[in-house]
Amino acid sequence: KQEVTQIPAALSVPEGENLVLNCSFTDSAIYNLQWFRQDPGKGLTSLLLIQSSQREQTSGRLNASLDKSSGRSTLYIAASQPGDSATYLCGEKGAGNMLTFGGGTRLMVKP
Amino acid sequence: GAGVSQSPSNKVTEKGKDVELRCDPISGHTALYWYRQRLGQGLEFLIYFQGNSAPDKSGLPSDRFSAERTGESVSTLTIQRTQQEDSAVYLCASSLSEGRHEQYFGPGTRLTVT
Repeated sequence: KQEVTQIPAALSVPEGENLVLNCSFTDSAIYNLQWFRQDPGKGLTSLLLIQSSQREQTSGRLNASLDKSSGRSTLYIAASQPGDSATYLCGEKGAGNMLTFGGGTRLMVKP
Repeated sequence: GAGVSQSPSNKVTEKGKDVELRCDPISGHTALYWYRQRLGQGLEFLIYFQGNSAPDKSGLPSDRFSAERTGESVSTLTIQRTQQEDSAVYLCASSLSEGRHEQYFGPGTRLTVT
């Protein structure tokens, strides 16, 4: 069974700080990896999708990287804002049809 | 355009009753997924539909759970004889096709079994 781990489970930073969220996966046959944010009581909002052939993807202040050899992905958030406060989830897709999710990192950005 | 929609948004039911949850995928999306998120736990895959192919039911936790999809449109997830451990948020997602495309999630249905 493939596993996905996110560390840290929770993170609190002051506004304006750059930060990195980590996602580790055991699947050597990764197909792609997707980063999401989830606000309390809401569904998941897709942030970035990285195919296994790619090294990174960027959207605004967000940059996601993928290193298949080490089984790691990172989500970099530049110049964090209070509105970035949410739970961030990574989902890995391997040979199966579904995403396997990590437990999430709960981010709090303090004004 | 319209995203994935789910109904009801909240459902409270008594133990032993059957419930039906509905998902409307994004128009044109051939792949549809059901996941659940229990309190304090990660998202778990339940079932996957792709076009007219046989669904991937490998994530269904018991035979009390079943799902249907008509063509490439609406899907319903049915839980029979609900148990308290079925309490969770049930999330539906769709994607343009299987594999390389992004999955887009609906807002979820919060199921509480009393």
